[in-house]
Amino acid sequence: GAVVSQHPSRVICKSGTSVKIECRSLDFQATTMFWYRQFPKQSLMLMATSNEGSKATYEQGVEKDKFLINHASLTLSTLTVTSAHPEDSSFYICSARAPGESSTDTQYFGPGTRLTVL
Amino acid sequence: QKEVEQNSGPLSVPEGAIASLNCTYSDRGSQSFFWYRQYSGKSPELIMSIYSNGDKEDGRFTAQLNKASQYVSLLIRDSQPSDSATYLCAVNSPMDTGRRALTFGSGTRLQVQP
Repeated sequence: GAVVSQHPSRVICKSGTSVKIECRSLDFQATTMFWYRQFPKQSLMLMATSNEGSKATYEQGVEKDKFLINHASLTLSTLTVTSAHPEDSSFYICSARAPGESSTDTQYFGPGTRLTVL
Repeated sequence: QKEVEQNSGPLSVPEGAIASLNCTYSDRGSQSFFWYRQYSGKSPELIMSIYSNGDKEDGRFTAQLNKASQYVSLLIRDSQPSDSATYLCAVNSPMDTGRRALTFGSGTRLQVQP
């Protein structure tokens, strides 16, 4: 149980285009999902917390107009990188908190999406 | 934002030995602590969670927590080459937004030599 998928796993795009990444909880309903970014040889940095049916909460330094997050259902959250630039190239990873785990904060991670902006 | 510190390594141990990974954190209010394993190019995989002081064992893995010292560790017994990966310590900490979420250390790279 507690499987999280991401699509696509890898994307290469031209500078100025927008890219949408999907994160799905396959066997449970996730009221809260998280989006992280990881640059090479660095740790995961939380970008935003996505709550089903409400606006995402962005961490300091993350542009909400550039990284659009939608959490329209209990099993799907999407991250859209708008007008992507080479500096946005990174490994984007989502995670979901399983039901009943809000007190323990156990999160299950998707496989990640590697974005390369040319 | 609170910090989670780890030695970047690499920590090199021979096959069959015990690997000891350490982590310190700055937020005294933290209640949840996690160890994740991350292979190169892959996303993190949860190995252990610990919430109270003392030891917690799961197979070859033992997590140790000392809240007074703000220290959490992971022991891997009978290390195998397949254990070679980066181990991330994560702590539930207050973020800039005021909410609590996981803060990750930079990870310790473990190399198990056959």
